[in-house]
Amino acid sequence: DTGVSQDPRHKITKRGQNVTFRCDPISEHNRLYWYRQTLGQGPEFLTYFQNEAQLEKSRLLSDRFSAERPKGSFSTLEIQRTEQGDSAMYLCASSLKTGQSTDTQYFGPGTRLTVL
Amino acid sequence: KNEVEQSPQNLTAQEGEFITINCSYSVGISALHWLQQHPGGGIVSLFMLSSGKKKHGRLIATINIQEKHSSLHITASHPRDSAVYICAVPTAGGSYIPTFGRGTSLIVHP
Repeated sequence: DTGVSQDPRHKITKRGQNVTFRCDPISEHNRLYWYRQTLGQGPEFLTYFQNEAQLEKSRLLSDRFSAERPKGSFSTLEIQRTEQGDSAMYLCASSLKTGQSTDTQYFGPGTRLTVL
Repeated sequence: KNEVEQSPQNLTAQEGEFITINCSYSVGISALHWLQQHPGGGIVSLFMLSSGKKKHGRLIATINIQEKHSSLHITASHPRDSAVYICAVPTAGGSYIPTFGRGTSLIVHP
């Protein structure tokens, strides 16, 4: 257990439905990342926050994807009008800004999404 | 954008063997991460290194910044080492956005 939690762990939904995932980072961590991982691939960066500010969102896969971190603590990732191609593992990670360009990230267990 | 290549893609070994996994990248970086992912998805950070060598138990990571190459070694491999090993580098110089390799799937048989 890294201290990062994600909820739910599994989500099955029908095409066209909206889904929302939650990530609770390690409490003192100010950076939070969202990734998507499909079978046989490494994680793919989606977006990240420093405190409540979303500093990079151009990698979000489409305008159906959005993320928030309203109080700089937990974060949510929403996918609207889900498609079968959205089926994947969605990973969250948090880190403490140290001034280095690459800081150690602690990953949550992921939310596995299946779109029928 | 940094291109990351890992080799081999799949690796099978007998318990006790010495394992080497390689990672090459295209753009100079300040630090590289090695991660371990077990079946079920959980990812654990193994090493972050910017030069030389680091050792933790039976795991050794080395990096050659000039050659843009890193290796992860496992000595006296054990079935519990079976996992996917992933290297990650900054997408570009000074970037906070990581680019991940596809991973090396390791299976260690007893």
